[in-house]
Amino acid sequence: QQQVKQSPQSLIVQKGGISIINCAYENTAFDYFPWYQQFPGKGPALLIAIRPDVSEKKEGRFTISFNKSAKQFSLHIMDSQPGDSATYFCAASHTGNQFYFGTGTSLTVIP
Amino acid sequence: KAGVTQTPRYLIKTRGQQVTLSCSPISGHRSVSWYQQTPGQGLQFLFEYFSETQRNKGNFPGRFSGRQFSNSRSEMNVSTLELGDSALYLCASSFTSGVDTQYFGPGTRLTVL
Repeated sequence: QQQVKQSPQSLIVQKGGISIINCAYENTAFDYFPWYQQFPGKGPALLIAIRPDVSEKKEGRFTISFNKSAKQFSLHIMDSQPGDSATYFCAASHTGNQFYFGTGTSLTVIP
Repeated sequence: KAGVTQTPRYLIKTRGQQVTLSCSPISGHRSVSWYQQTPGQGLQFLFEYFSETQRNKGNFPGRFSGRQFSNSRSEMNVSTLELGDSALYLCASSFTSGVDTQYFGPGTRLTVL
């Protein structure tokens, strides 16, 4: 059973455009929601994370929007660049360091 | 600070064999978590160790085991390998065992023939 559902599976965006990746969860006990970026041959790297007491968090070109009532959260990448081309994972956690990951979104930014 | 290191980076084994993977966390980090990454299932949590004790365990068979040493280095063992165990095995370290930022290593690519 997938605890965190992520969409879309793949995304193609023009350079300068906005990339949007969505995730949904069922377990209301989750209280930490990070996003990871993974390049081929590398491990995932933390991009940005949010806790459910805020509805939005912004770091540079990356923004997490969080809707607690809908149990959804999304990653927005503004002014997308070719260097942003990677696989993005959302995740959720509520117990220790046991994280549940989405299935990933492969982002391609076209120059 | 050096990042999380995993050895070996690549491994080829045959069915029925066993394998041991190693992970050295970031200096000062005491929590080490292991994940299996496959194209079909994505990233799945195996287990977490903190101060040499297993704190959490994912839904994997007993063939998957691990341990942590007093210097926080961790090893993961898979016995009686199956074809389906072919995956990228990722190790992540964090400072505490609570909900904390995890830093991932590059992974060990295991291929079972």
